[in-house]
Amino acid sequence: SQQGEEDPQALSIQEGENATMNCSYKTSINNLQWYRQNSGRGLVHLILIRSNEREKHSGRLRVTLDTSKKSSSLLITASRAADTASYFCATDRTGRRALTFGSGTRLQVQP
Amino acid sequence: DGGITQSPKYLFRKEGQNVTLSCEQNLNHDAMYWYRQDPGQGLRLIYYSQIVNDFQKGDIAEGYSVSREKKESFPLTVTSAQKNPTAFYLCATKPGHNTYEQYFGPGTRLTVT
Repeated sequence: SQQGEEDPQALSIQEGENATMNCSYKTSINNLQWYRQNSGRGLVHLILIRSNEREKHSGRLRVTLDTSKKSSSLLITASRAADTASYFCATDRTGRRALTFGSGTRLQVQP
Repeated sequence: DGGITQSPKYLFRKEGQNVTLSCEQNLNHDAMYWYRQDPGQGLRLIYYSQIVNDFQKGDIAEGYSVSREKKESFPLTVTSAQKNPTAFYLCATKPGHNTYEQYFGPGTRLTVT
């Protein structure tokens, strides 16, 4: 079952702008992860935020988590054409030994 | 994708034939997973295995089968019972308990006509 829903489904921005993607989920989680997928390739792990954390940074990535609203956001600052990809949130749910992935946001960064 | 091999990258089969997708890893990871991805969609879990000789059904296991006879290998068979097998199949691994990040292979695109 799809737990996460990303918003927007697609996003097109200019190089240098910031990109924000949102993820909502339905059940209690241990952590939430963001992955990136280039077209036709496997996924690459970007960042993990635990349920007791509210914000986390990694390079140009900033992730927030609001467990009361069951939502997370991924911010990519100063975007580059190479950031063009699909981005997925994945939840590590309590009592389930596998991740549940959302439907993804397709990001297009125009040079 | 390093350390996880999925072969072939593209696979074509006729309807009614079983087909086995390969997933091999040299990362010494305990857990392995199979996902299916349809165009413009997220990943859906087919099967997963935490240890050798043990595996569990995921959300969409009907029409699929797996085995885990070796730590390095987790082949997925798409049987003729799978009603809509054309999709992109992704294998992933995870080191073990108390680890959370999954590592993905490059995927196999299966087309059944």
